[in-house]
Amino acid sequence: GEDVEQSLFLSVREGDSSVINCTYTDSSSTYLYWYKQEPGAGLQLLTYIFSNMDMKQDQRLTVLLNKKDKHLSLRIADTQTGDSAIYFCAEVNTGGFKTIFGAGTRLFVKA
Amino acid sequence: SAVISQKPSRDICQRGTSLTIQCQVDSQVTMMFWYRQQPGQSLTLIATANQGSEATYESGFVIDKFPISRPNLTFSTLTVSNMSPEDSSIYLCSVKGQDPNTEAFFGQGTRLTVV
Repeated sequence: GEDVEQSLFLSVREGDSSVINCTYTDSSSTYLYWYKQEPGAGLQLLTYIFSNMDMKQDQRLTVLLNKKDKHLSLRIADTQTGDSAIYFCAEVNTGGFKTIFGAGTRLFVKA
Repeated sequence: SAVISQKPSRDICQRGTSLTIQCQVDSQVTMMFWYRQQPGQSLTLIATANQGSEATYESGFVIDKFPISRPNLTFSTLTVSNMSPEDSSIYLCSVKGQDPNTEAFFGQGTRLTVV
């Protein structure tokens, strides 16, 4: 079945880059997503990458996709305290109806 | 994009009672999903609710415990029945458009505490 795995915690200093990693199992996933959840809030789509792309950049965010290794990463440049949140990696399962989420990586940004 | 409103945003309920959570979307959507997020955990899909058909439940979730209504393309409800403290979670409504490969949009969630 589908599975998405992430490390649970990441701590960085303000101004540094953060890299959050994710591995997934469904090689037929068309899109892969990164969501952000701030305390007490729902999930907000941060960015996504189409499966035929290797990299996508969106302002401070860079997504890298290694399809061979089924590895996805999210890099946040110049990390700010406002970036402190839980980041979920997600894929859409075969058939495209369900979104499968990783456990979430809790990012702590130290001032 | 879609704007999703969930009610209530939080509630504290007595064990043995039931709570109905409402999800209202500002546009017509084909697929609606209900997720549970237990404290410190990821999201677990409870069921998929498509208008005009019975909800499809994931393994470990049953209709008697989590009845769902989907009366039209902009609204759905999830009821948590006969609650116990183990049901304390955040419940999230999510929607997708016509293309199932597109991203899911989420409501702000309902934080439920059962005492």
